[in-house]
Amino acid sequence: DSGVTQTPKHLITATGQRVTLRCSPRSGDLSVYWYQQSLDQGLQFLIQYYNGEERAKGNILERFSAQQFPDLHSELNLSSLELGDSALYFCASSVAGGQAFFGQGTRLTVV
Amino acid sequence: GQNIDQPTEMTATEGAIVQINCTYQTSGFNGLFWYQQHAGEAPTFLSYNVLDGLEEKGRFSSFLSRSKGYSYLLLKELQMKDSASYLCAASNTGGFKTIFGAGTRLFVKA
Repeated sequence: DSGVTQTPKHLITATGQRVTLRCSPRSGDLSVYWYQQSLDQGLQFLIQYYNGEERAKGNILERFSAQQFPDLHSELNLSSLELGDSALYFCASSVAGGQAFFGQGTRLTVV
Repeated sequence: GQNIDQPTEMTATEGAIVQINCTYQTSGFNGLFWYQQHAGEAPTFLSYNVLDGLEEKGRFSSFLSRSKGYSYLLLKELQMKDSASYLCAASNTGGFKTIFGAGTRLFVKA
């Protein structure tokens, strides 16, 4: 158990819908990262927050947004979903730029 | 800029040795991580190098050369269960972030 909790584990939704993925980092970790991993692909960095502030942005679509709340949990919002958004979405946390601990991921299926 | 390069795929034979290379470019570099990821699962930590040289941990060893921006992961006595993706990641504490490569998919054949 990495200490990072992601909910839900599985999500099936229709095209055009909006979903929210939730991540609770390890206790004491201030950095939260979101990654997308499509089938048989590598990790694609989406966005990073540090202590509530956006720190880095990767290839995140405009339809996607995220935030980190005062209690340090984070949410990734995906809207106007398309079939191609089907993927595993991982959250990871670290103290700062150190070892990242990954949650078990949310498997999103868009039908 | 910030960039990490590693081979996309490698194939090796059970019982053999394989070396997975990684080159990185990042400002404020602090250290280099290696993670293992089995299909459909979360990446798990393997090693972390801060200083130049080889760190050995059982069948797995990791090497770092900070001056060359280069690291490798060495896997000995390969087992079928070692078939997985291996992710190289550079730690940048100045920017408070860890940057991951796309991963090297290793296939171990009998």
